Amino acid sequence: NTVMTQSPTSMFISVGDRVTMNCKASQNVGTNVDWYQQKTGQSPKLLIYGASNRYTGVPDRFTGSGSGTDFTLTISNMQAEDLAVYYCLQYNYNPWTFGGGTKLELK
Amino acid sequence: QVNLLQSGAALVKPGASVKLSCKASGYTFTDYYIHWVKQSHGKSLEWIGYINPNSDYTNYNEKFKSKATLTVDKSTNTAYMELSRLTSEDSATYYCTIVVYYGLGFAYWGQGTLVTVSS
Repeated sequence: NTVMTQSPTSMFISVGDRVTMNCKASQNVGTNVDWYQQKTGQSPKLLIYGASNRYTGVPDRFTGSGSGTDFTLTISNMQAEDLAVYYCLQYNYNPWTFGGGTKLELK
Repeated sequence: QVNLLQSGAALVKPGASVKLSCKASGYTFTDYYIHWVKQSHGKSLEWIGYINPNSDYTNYNEKFKSKATLTVDKSTNTAYMELSRLTSEDSATYYCTIVVYYGLGFAYWGQGTLVTVSS
């Protein structure tokens, strides 16, 4: 199976910070990677699809990049409502696999 | 608007089975594949598999092949997932979600169903 390794597992941030988190695939997955945001007690929400495409209604402070095995989600100008766990997902190979998540917490 | 309404929380005994439902509305039910995702408490997400409501074709994560059975009822626009021979490892929240087209991602999610396996 394709292992998606996210780093860091948690980050302590302040409002206004620029936040960068990473996702590394164990094999080449092209650009078949999504990013999801999950707040406590809620279902995951799609942010980025196809590695770099912002989904409808997602603020432009969220940017996805990468291809092959290395992917990045950047949040410029972090807001309090962005506190959540972020997951990457690869859908290039069966089974589709998620990363372990990066949790954003307030400093 | 697209809505996926899942059945309520379930408390089931070890060894038993449970059938979860996901009622779709706001779109043509047979247009989009329905996927299921597991999230154990405080843990990450696991993809279980999907069903094509138009053909009943299923594709499972090998890990869940003997655990989950995906079906649909086109007359009620409802997808089902039956989990069998339940153990404590199956205690989790289960989500249904749809892919509008391959490459777009899981754009719509149900609210999740919490399954607790306990005697």
